[in-house]
Amino acid sequence: DIQMTQSPSSLSASVGDRVTITCRASQSISSHLNWYQQKPGKAPKLLIYAASSLQSGVPSRFSGRGSGTDFTLTISTLQPEDFATYYCQQSYSTLMYTFGPGTKLQIK
Amino acid sequence: QLQLQESGPGLVKPSETLSLTCTVSGGSISTANYYWGWIRQPPGKGLEWIGNIYYSGGTYYNPSLKSRVTISVDTSKNQFSLKLSSVTAADTAVYYCARHKMAWFDPWGQGTLVTVSS
Repeated sequence: DIQMTQSPSSLSASVGDRVTITCRASQSISSHLNWYQQKPGKAPKLLIYAASSLQSGVPSRFSGRGSGTDFTLTISTLQPEDFATYYCQQSYSTLMYTFGPGTKLQIK
Repeated sequence: QLQLQESGPGLVKPSETLSLTCTVSGGSISTANYYWGWIRQPPGKGLEWIGNIYYSGGTYYNPSLKSRVTISVDTSKNQFSLKLSSVTAADTAVYYCARHKMAWFDPWGQGTLVTVSS
């Protein structure tokens, strides 16, 4: 199985900050990496697919980069509604989709 | 706008079978190139993919759950269903259904909490 790790596991930041979350795969997954945002009590919401493509309706302050094993999700200017937990998900192995453990973004 | 809604019992006894249904509205479950999936999230923990189904009935499952999982589809009702047998407390989770497009899940249902307890 392809294992996904994320760092940091939690992060405190302020409104207006630039924040970067890292996701690493245990083997190369090309660009088959997706990012989701989850707020408490809500379902995950797709933000970025195929490593760098912004899902329709998602603000442009969100961006994704990377290929191979290392990926990043960046929020350029944090807004109050961005405080949530972020998950990466690999889609390279089509017989076993796996998610990262999540990064909780909290208000400083 | 496509919407998904999970339904089913919120409490299941240990060793019994968990059964959930996902109703799709605002679009057809028989749309080509889309799969339909189940994902779960134990309280306070991360996300685990359970399995996917195509409208024609083709399925693939998480190998760690495969022996206990059955996903089926009813195109006449625009629904797909999950059955998980021999449940234990470890199966307590919020269960989500979602459309699987290409390689990502979007949109998701709101989720339903299933507790395994006697």
